[in-house]
Order: sequence, then C-alpha cells, then structure tokens
Amino acid sequence: EPEVTQTPSHQVTQMGQEVILRCVPISNHLYFYWYRQILGQKVEFLVSFYNNEISEKSEIFDDQFSVERPDGSNFTLKIRSTKLEDSAMYFCASIQVLTDTQYFGPGTRLTVL
Amino acid sequence: DAKTTQPPSMDCAEGRAANLPCNHSTISGNEYVYWYRQIHSQGPQYIIHGLKNNETNEMASLIITEDRKSSTLILPHATLRDTAVYYCIVRPIIQGAQKLVFGQGTRLTINP
Repeated sequence: EPEVTQTPSHQVTQMGQEVILRCVPISNHLYFYWYRQILGQKVEFLVSFYNNEISEKSEIFDDQFSVERPDGSNFTLKIRSTKLEDSAMYFCASIQVLTDTQYFGPGTRLTVL
Repeated sequence: DAKTTQPPSMDCAEGRAANLPCNHSTISGNEYVYWYRQIHSQGPQYIIHGLKNNETNEMASLIITEDRKSSTLILPHATLRDTAVYYCIVRPIIQGAQKLVFGQGTRLTINP
C-alpha cells in the first residue's frame, strides 16, 4: 500500500540554523500538508499546498517557514532560522481528491539546541 | 478549536470491544466525522469516516446517532496494538485543502 515517507526521521540542529524537512507524498495525491506536534501537545496544522501554491496557513506558519514542491515527488518544509520552540514532531500529509482522506507520514523529530 | 468532545482516557480488556464516544453537538449538515489514531509519537493513522450512515471497514465500525450530534467508534476485538490516542474530528465535506483540527483525543489503553 502506498505511504507518505519523510526524511530524516530525526534532525538535531543549533538555534539559528536553517533546516529542511522532506516529504514524499503518495504519488497520485494533489493536496499536501504540514502539521507539527510539540511534545505532549496537540497535533497542529501549519500549512496546506495545492497546485504549487499555499492554500491555507496557520498563525504558526510565519515568515520563518516556507514550503516548496521542487520536483514532481518531493514536498519540503524549510525553517529559516530555528528557535528552541520549533522543537517538535513534524508530520507531512497528502490527500487524493476523490477519497478526501488525509494520509500522514511517520514524522520528523526536530530538536533545536 | 476542535468541535468535538472526547473523554481523556479509557481502558479496555484485550479481546473485548472498545467503544469510544465523541460528542459533536454543533456539527453542521455538510461536515463529516473522521476518526484517526496516533500510536506513541507516530503519524496519525486514518481509521474511518462517515456522514450520517453507520460505516464499517476492516479496522473499526462507526456509529453516528440519528441527530448526528454524537458518534461511537467501535474496535470489535481490541488488541494490545490498539493502545493509542484516538481523535474524533469534524471536517467539512468540501473536497480538497481542508485541514484537520485535532483535539486532545482519548487515550485508549488495552490491558492484557
């Protein structure tokens, strides 16, 4: 069964550094999402992406964040200058329009020191 | 904010049916009820969704009350691997880029 994949599984970085989290959505899916989950807290929506542009973004998704679909398969989340509070699990999800069900990847654990 | 209310935790014996309730009293006619679960810190896993009819798949059954203000997710024969946080989410029918709004969910513990 097709799956959403994410790399790396764990990323450790220094405060102020840039990080890029990568996702490969399911191949025939058209909508893509990033969510995050700070340890012990709820899963929170960050951004949705369709047709090479952002459809919706949350208050969390400020100017430090950007998303890109650089080729036909990858979907990336970039954090320009990481802060301690960016430490969280980051989940990518994708959806096929006809089924209207989001499928999530296994997540990337980002640790900012 | 999430439009659903769930008990924070539940226990169930292995092999028994686990019945997880969800209240969504403000649901509108154009909103689905979705259920996801999250095992430890893994990505949320889709379980089932419905509009107004009861639904069943290989994982679970979803019972939605006639007034649609509440629903119950049923895991018919719970196993230890079903220990997880279960999220009930209301989401508009409009296809496409509709985000999921997660609440705190119900932490279900399956006991041997």
